Amino acid sequence: KAGVTQTPRYLIKTRGQQVTLSCSPISGHRSVSWYQQTPGQGLQFLFEYFSETQRNKGNFPGRFSGRQFSNSRSEMNVSTLELGDSALYLCASSADRGTTNEKLFFGSGTQLSVL
Amino acid sequence: DAKTTQPPSMDCAEGRAANLPCNHSTISGNEYVYWYRQIHSQGPQYIIHGLKNNETNEMASLIITEDRKSSTLILPHATLRDTAVYYCIVRPMFSGGYNKLIFGAGTRLAVHP
Repeated sequence: KAGVTQTPRYLIKTRGQQVTLSCSPISGHRSVSWYQQTPGQGLQFLFEYFSETQRNKGNFPGRFSGRQFSNSRSEMNVSTLELGDSALYLCASSADRGTTNEKLFFGSGTQLSVL
Repeated sequence: DAKTTQPPSMDCAEGRAANLPCNHSTISGNEYVYWYRQIHSQGPQYIIHGLKNNETNEMASLIITEDRKSSTLILPHATLRDTAVYYCIVRPMFSGGYNKLIFGAGTRLAVHP
């Protein structure tokens, strides 16, 4: 079974631009979560989507948004980029059958650099 | 804020057991203890989780104290490839909206020859 796939792997943007990152979850997984990782703040939860609906959101400004498609693939968008948005953006998928013992499977991330 | 406390760094000799402690004194009865690790430039990888009993899988063992206020992740025979940041996380028993993991700073484990 293929793992979580994130594209692109690296991205360089300039301040004020916008960016869209893509995540393909493991086949059959319905939940997709996004995380931001920076040296200063560590790993922080951005949001989670399940069946095309956002059901959980972290403490990030409205410039950060996302969506999930009917095939569970997800995208996140950051508008009006700031230097502080430079980070590794990680996507995680979960089967989320409503049972216990759910595990998250992470992709390798997209390294975004804002110049 | 993370609900766990871990030492910032630890060293281990290759081939020896690595014992990584975690304090979670405010854990509630319906919360699991999960361990993930992150090797440089990769996404976090699930290792093991448990509720109150000790658990073992092909990667590691998890020892949870009887009062559940602390736990220890054991890598029985550490290798150089086990060098990573290890995160101890508590999360509610049932997912369904709780796929939000709260990561602390973790423990940076260095395995040396």
